[in-house]
Amino acid sequence: SSELTQDPGVSVALGQTVRITCQGDSLRTYYASWYQQKPGQAPVFVMYGKNNRPSGIPDRFSGSSSGNTASLTITGTQAEDEADYYCSSRDNSGNYVFGSGTKVTVL
Amino acid sequence: VQLVESGGGVVQPGRSLRLSCAASGFTFSIYGMHWVRQAPGKGLEWVAVMGYDGNNEKYADSVKGRFTISRDSSKNTVYLQMNYLRAGDTAVYYCAREDYYDRSGYNLIDYWGQGALVTVSS
Repeated sequence: SSELTQDPGVSVALGQTVRITCQGDSLRTYYASWYQQKPGQAPVFVMYGKNNRPSGIPDRFSGSSSGNTASLTITGTQAEDEADYYCSSRDNSGNYVFGSGTKVTVL
Repeated sequence: VQLVESGGGVVQPGRSLRLSCAASGFTFSIYGMHWVRQAPGKGLEWVAVMGYDGNNEKYADSVKGRFTISRDSSKNTVYLQMNYLRAGDTAVYYCAREDYYDRSGYNLIDYWGQGALVTVSS
């Protein structure tokens, strides 16, 4: 089975930019999707494809992809962006896989 | 879109439990459905998927042979039958919808329920 690797945590000052990365072999074939999860809440779909936001997601969220790495960038980070972020993709057997998650702390 | 899980609770190791997820706000019969779980303090783990037509059933290795996903389009409900439960199956279980996003090229999970807690303990 495939694995997706994420850094455990990152800190960002209010209003600054933070990039969250996700690495895995499956990302050479399938674009990542990204989910935001706040404590005690269900995940929310925030990014897909190379750089596509679902309806209702602020444009301070952007995505990119190259080789085996996908990235989610938050530009002008707000206090409400403090959350866990998970990447996900499909693997070659048709199963799905999630990354280990990155905790974003807003200072 | 609304997804409401039910059926969670405390169960002894080795026993069975069935989760249900009632869907509303969309045409259930044309969407695939997933189950994803999250152990306490841990990350998300994909569990299973069933296609819109009841085909394309797939499972994570950790649950294959023990869990079964099914759906009843007449009731707009997806189920997860969990047998031979272990302590390691303790988690919040989320029901989630998938949809095809052409700029991704495959079906993605886009909406999630609020989850049902399953605790496996003697």
